[in-house]
Amino acid sequence: QSVLTQPPSVSAAPGQKVTISCSGSSSNIGNNYVSWYQQFPGTAPKLLIYDNDKRPSGIPDRFSGSKSGTSATLGITGLQTGDEAAYYCGTWDSSLSAMVFGGGTKLTVL
Amino acid sequence: EVQLEQSGAEVKKPGESLKISCKGSGYIFTSYWIGWVRQMPDKGLEWMAIIYPGDSDTRYSPSFRGQVTISADKSINTAYLHWTSLKASDTAMYYCTRLRIVGTTRYFDYWGLGTLVTVSS
Repeated sequence: QSVLTQPPSVSAAPGQKVTISCSGSSSNIGNNYVSWYQQFPGTAPKLLIYDNDKRPSGIPDRFSGSKSGTSATLGITGLQTGDEAAYYCGTWDSSLSAMVFGGGTKLTVL
Repeated sequence: EVQLEQSGAEVKKPGESLKISCKGSGYIFTSYWIGWVRQMPDKGLEWMAIIYPGDSDTRYSPSFRGQVTISADKSINTAYLHWTSLKASDTAMYYCTRLRIVGTTRYFDYWGLGTLVTVSS
């Protein structure tokens, strides 16, 4: 059971928009910054979003992040088949004194 | 260019010890936290431990404290993860990752390719 809750899967058609939610509590998302990671099958995770809504250099602006209260959301617009991957949210949990992740969401582009 | 080069795949028996490594390059190794994340087969990411090579300060996830030991040799820019007695449940991919801490923000900005550890009798 992950500390952060994500839907196991989401799907959408090419060109459409999808959002992935990440729900936590006041000890983690509510008082700390959220990051998002993209992981293709058989490869290492990659930083996609940090500080709730910032993109590292090289990440397209089709990817966006937001946070409200104890929840965060990853948005992907103009979906491409190459976006099919698992997406994880992460943050610091002040009560656990630990970095925590969501269980991951598998994106399928139909 | 920041790179984290991990040691190769390992196949071990239950009860054996193991130390895997991660060599950092392209940045000042002693100025950033570096750590390990476990991914069991077909499962999600779990943070295990981090170390600050500058002073060897360590932090462990409550789930992994006492199960593994993180260390670093700053003279060769290398971090390690050590088990004294492996279990079958330690079978997983282990990722080395740099933890960026700026004020109150924390995120893993660079990742190694992973070290697959298989524990089987």
